[in-house]
Parts: sequence; C-alpha cells; structure tokens
Amino acid sequence: AQSVTQPDIHITVSEGASLELRCNYSYGATPYLFWYVQSPGQGLQLLLKYFSGDTLVQGIKGFEAEFKRSQSSFNLRKPSVHWSDAAEYFCAVVSGGYSTLTFGKGTMLLVSP
Amino acid sequence: DTGVSQNPRHKITKRGQNVTFRCDPISEHNRLYWYRQTLGQGPEFLTYFQNEAQLEKSRLLSDRFSAERPKGSFSTLEIQRTEQGDSAMYLCASSLVGSRFSYNEQFFGPGTRLTVL
Repeated sequence: AQSVTQPDIHITVSEGASLELRCNYSYGATPYLFWYVQSPGQGLQLLLKYFSGDTLVQGIKGFEAEFKRSQSSFNLRKPSVHWSDAAEYFCAVVSGGYSTLTFGKGTMLLVSP
Repeated sequence: DTGVSQNPRHKITKRGQNVTFRCDPISEHNRLYWYRQTLGQGPEFLTYFQNEAQLEKSRLLSDRFSAERPKGSFSTLEIQRTEQGDSAMYLCASSLVGSRFSYNEQFFGPGTRLTVL
C-alpha cells in the first residue's frame, strides 16, 4: 500500500532563513507527488506537484521541491521564509488507480521573528 | 467565489444523533471526494464520486456513513448514530478529470468540523 512519511512533526525557522521539509513515500510505480499547505480555518491549498519530467518543480509562494527516486523523497524547500508561511504542510501521493490522495501526517512550521 | 464550499462549517452534536454535511464542488468538476482529518493527522480518504456514481469507498467508511451525489453536482455525507470517535474535520474536494484512471488537481473546501459530545 502507498504511504507517505513526514518525519518532522514541528519545525521552527527564523524569518528570512531557509526551509526544508522532508517527505518520503512508498509507492511501487512512478508516483504523482504533491505538497499542500493548510492554514488555520482554511482548506488545503496546493503548493506544487510532480507528475513526471524535471525532478525540480517550482510552486507558488516561492516554494520548490525535488523528486529523488533513489531516496524515495520529495522534500519541500524555500530559500527565505516569511512569517506568513507559518502553517501546516502536507505531502501526498496519488494512489488507488490514480483517484485518491494519501497524505502524510503533516509538519507544522513555526516562524520565529 | 467559485471554489468548493461546505456547510455547515461547524457542527456540535450529541452522541447518537444523526448529522448531514453538504459539499458544493466547483461547478464544472465531475469528480468529488470526501476526506476525514483528525487532530494531528493528515486527511484520510473516505469516498469519491465521478459524476453521480460512487466509485470507491475506504474501509474507514463504516455502515453508519453514507454519501450521495444525486445529480452529479453537490454531495451530502451523513453520519448516523454519531460516536465520539467521529469528531473530526470533514473535507470535500473536487476535480475535473477526463477518464476514470486519470488524475487532476483536487481543490479542497474549508471543511466541516464535527464535535460529538
């Protein structure tokens, strides 16, 4: 069965510092991978997605992620974090015959001044 | 706003009562999903529809849960005889896909938070 692991439950980053959120997946075939962000009281917003092609994908809000098949990873990065980036971040993989998303447990990002 | 909407946003009920949630997807989207998110967890898939047909159900969807999408537009999720373990955020998402085995971005609604006392 497909699964997604986000090893960090919480991460605190100083404003202006760089960010990397880790995501590892378990999937037999070429995965479709996603990063979503969820702010309090808000729905999930798609930051970026990987289907195929270039393994470095660019997303909204200055985020990027790199797909590494050899490490089964899809880590999210941002070079300079803003206070408004504080939120919960979820990595997900498409499963079930390309129909449903399997999410990780999420990483809560805290931004310190 | 033409995004996914869900009603109500919050629901408090007593154990044993029935509750119903509604989801209105983006108007041209043919696929609609329901997910459940409990505290400290990521969303978990419950079921999805392609037009009015319910194509997949998770084992999380016990007999007390039923979902409908009668005309291929809005959907309802009903929980009968609620239990405290049903307390969660129920998320709806929609997408536009070309065939059953294709995929496209899912757009999520704000969710309905259910509290069972």
